[in-house]
Amino acid sequence: SQTIHQWPATLVQPVGSPLSLECTVEGTSNPNLYWYRQAAGRGLQLLFYSVGIGQISSEVPQNLSASRPQDRQFILSSKKLLLSDSGFYLCAWSGPRLLAGGYTFGSGTRLTVV
Amino acid sequence: AQKVTQAQTEISVVEKEDVTLDCVYETRDTTYYLFWYKQPPSGELVFLIRRNSFDEQNEISGRYSWNFQKSTSSFNFTITASQVVDSAVYFCALSSGNQFYFGTGTSLTVIP
Repeated sequence: SQTIHQWPATLVQPVGSPLSLECTVEGTSNPNLYWYRQAAGRGLQLLFYSVGIGQISSEVPQNLSASRPQDRQFILSSKKLLLSDSGFYLCAWSGPRLLAGGYTFGSGTRLTVV
Repeated sequence: AQKVTQAQTEISVVEKEDVTLDCVYETRDTTYYLFWYKQPPSGELVFLIRRNSFDEQNEISGRYSWNFQKSTSSFNFTITASQVVDSAVYFCALSSGNQFYFGTGTSLTVIP
């Protein structure tokens, strides 16, 4: 069966420090991968999605970046965190036909920038 | 434009009451899917149900039921005999044109 792992679960980082959140998927090949952020208002905002290795699409311009070095690995990064980067970050995967399958989400990372 | 609206931001009910969470969507596509996800306090989003646009048959799963009506573009979710463990944020979502659109969520609190 397919599983998705996301870590760390919680993170407190000072302003200006770098960030690296990792997400891996098991039990499937060539998944579509996504990073979402959920700010205090509870809305889910799509940050990045990837349909293959090295293929990253950005939905919202900001100081975050994403990379997909391997088929089932998706990394969210920042060189210098801002206070506004605080939030709950969710990684998700879907099959090639997102339309029908929907997402499977990771357990999330709660990031607090201080 | 594609859009999902969950007008209820917060709902509180007393345990054992029934509660309905509303979801209204907009899309011009004829083929689309609708979803409900549950987000408990732990934060993880848990898949509850998926319906396709050609299947308006209502569905019941235990205490959960869903009412899909294309005529009103609604996909409402009812919890019968609510329990404290149902306390969570519930998201309705639309999958259309290979994009995914979430509502802003409804926070449900079940009071013991």
